[in-house]
Amino acid sequence: NAGVTQTPKFQVLKTGQSMTLQCAQDMNHNSMYWYRQDPGMGLRLIYYSASEGTTDKGEVPNGYNVSRLNKREFSLRLESAAPSQTSVYFCASSGQGRFTEAFFGQGTRLTVV
Amino acid sequence: AQKVTQAQTEISVVEKEDVTLDCVYETRDTTYYLFWYKQPPSGELVFLIRRNSFDEQNEISGRYSWNFQKSTSSFNFTITASQVVDSAVYFCALSEEGGGADGLTFGKGTHLIIQP
Repeated sequence: NAGVTQTPKFQVLKTGQSMTLQCAQDMNHNSMYWYRQDPGMGLRLIYYSASEGTTDKGEVPNGYNVSRLNKREFSLRLESAAPSQTSVYFCASSGQGRFTEAFFGQGTRLTVV
Repeated sequence: AQKVTQAQTEISVVEKEDVTLDCVYETRDTTYYLFWYKQPPSGELVFLIRRNSFDEQNEISGRYSWNFQKSTSSFNFTITASQVVDSAVYFCALSEEGGGADGLTFGKGTHLIIQP
């Protein structure tokens, strides 16, 4: 069972470039999330999707867009990357939303130069 | 204001010592859940425990134990007889019923170093 799979694992972008981070889960979970982790900051919620067809902003949504393509897949797009978006990005999913444990992907380390 | 405070940025102990990681949370909800996650040097996040606000029983799982005290808004994590493999960053997290966003609010983490 793969759980939550993120691609790519590493990425270097130039300022202004765009890219999409992919995430897929095979646990039939309704809820999916994107977090970013910065040194000394813990994880902060960027966007989430409580069910297929819905997406909502989290704590730090500026500069990002998301798409819940189907129940399995939830992508995160940076339209014009900025150095402030250098971070480790984690996708997660959970079965019953906010009160159940989330399962995390391996993370994507993104550097914007 | 921080909703989850992990005041200990880094803790270093010698193997076999007991160590307690502190977590203080803030919420106005009566229904909420608290979580602990482990992030080893490899970087993945590993779920350790979930506790709801109505269950104040302490929990023990092997060398790990958790002490939940609503009176002090704390959910502390103790590792008994620590081992080098326990070295990791540990995150405490909160999920509130009335929170605007789904998802977890994380503390900033405690970096635990177990020296051989």
